[in-house]
Amino acid sequence: AQSVTQPDIHITVSEGASLELRCNYSYGATPYLFWYVQSPGQGLQLLLKYFSGDTLVQGIKGFEAEFKRSQSSFNLRKPSVHWSDAAEYFCAVINSGAGSYQLTFGKGTKLSVIP
Amino acid sequence: GAGVSQSPSNKVTEKGKDVELRCDPISGHTALYWYRQSLGQGLEFLIYFQGNSAPDKSGLPSDRFSAERTGGSVSTLTIQRTQQEDSAVYLCASSFHQLYTFGSGTRLTVV
Repeated sequence: AQSVTQPDIHITVSEGASLELRCNYSYGATPYLFWYVQSPGQGLQLLLKYFSGDTLVQGIKGFEAEFKRSQSSFNLRKPSVHWSDAAEYFCAVINSGAGSYQLTFGKGTKLSVIP
Repeated sequence: GAGVSQSPSNKVTEKGKDVELRCDPISGHTALYWYRQSLGQGLEFLIYFQGNSAPDKSGLPSDRFSAERTGGSVSTLTIQRTQQEDSAVYLCASSFHQLYTFGSGTRLTVV
């Protein structure tokens, strides 16, 4: 079965600093990959997705992610973090070979931003 | 509608009671999913609907959990004889071409 690993449970960065959140997946075929953000008490908002093509994808709020097949990674980056980026971030993968297209999520990384 | 609507947003129930959670997906989205989010467990898949049928129920944790969908639209997740370990946020999502939209969830607290 596919799995998603987010090795960092909690990251703290200063406002204006750069950010990279790590995500590794275990899956045989080409995955559909996603990053979601969840603010306290809110649902999940899609930041960006990778289905195929250019391995560097741009998302909302200035985020980007790079798909690296050789490393089975899909790390999320932002060059300059804003205080409003403090939230929990989830990496997810779809098993495109199965019938249900269900999302499998990582455990999440909580981001704190120091003013 | 413009988004996925879930009700109630919060539910407190006594152990042993039954609860019903409702999800109103985006109009035209044929696929609907239920997930559970709890501390320490992350986001767990519960069940998938395509239209009114549920071809994948593999995530339902016990036979106390059931779900249905009618008219290819609204879905109801029912938990019978609730237990304290059922306390969690239950999220619903609908999708079109593998693009998911999530609702804000129902926070269930079993006391």
